[in-house]
Amino acid sequence: EAGVVQSPRYKIIEKKQPVAFWCNPISGHNTLYWYRQNLGQGPELLIRYENEEAVDDSQLPKDRFSAERLKGVDSTLKIQPAELGDSAVYLCASSLDYEQYFGPGTRLTVT
Amino acid sequence: GDSVTQMEGPVTLSEEAFLTINCTYTATGYPSLFWYVQYPGEGLQLLLKATKADDKGSNKGFEATYRKETTSFHLEKGSVQVSDSAVYFCALSDQGNNRLAFGKGNQVVVIP
Repeated sequence: EAGVVQSPRYKIIEKKQPVAFWCNPISGHNTLYWYRQNLGQGPELLIRYENEEAVDDSQLPKDRFSAERLKGVDSTLKIQPAELGDSAVYLCASSLDYEQYFGPGTRLTVT
Repeated sequence: GDSVTQMEGPVTLSEEAFLTINCTYTATGYPSLFWYVQYPGEGLQLLLKATKADDKGSNKGFEATYRKETTSFHLEKGSVQVSDSAVYFCALSDQGNNRLAFGKGNQVVVIP
């Protein structure tokens, strides 16, 4: 069974540029999560989807971050414009019940 | 809100040594507790879990017991191997919202 797929694995951009990350969850997993992991810290939830509905986005900085999961399968997380402090690893996870399966993440570096 | 605290600093130990990583939590309800492991260059993997008080989670020689009286979920392994070198994260989930709250993680380095 394929795991959670994320792309790209690495991204380097200049500040003020836009960036997008893509996630394909495990087949059949209705719940999808985006986390941000700063260096030396544990992941922090940005947004959670149940099918195509964002049911928990309280920690998503909505002035510059957006996400979508239009068909209830894969998802895109966007940052526009990026700031230096957005440098982090962005993790996608999916679940069928309470056990979350994580992708390898996208390491973003903003210069 | 719900939170997890892990002991500070990396852990360095010799092969076959005993490993303990402390984890305590703060939660308003009755959370589920998890240990995740992140091997170099890989994503987070669930190592073990416990969903109620006094439950013991175990996997790959690792164990952790859900202690409600001390709000703890310490991870232990009796004899570590070099292949156990990784970062270990303690986490909790409020069963009502499926949101995982992670600790800061502990890097474990096992020396041959």
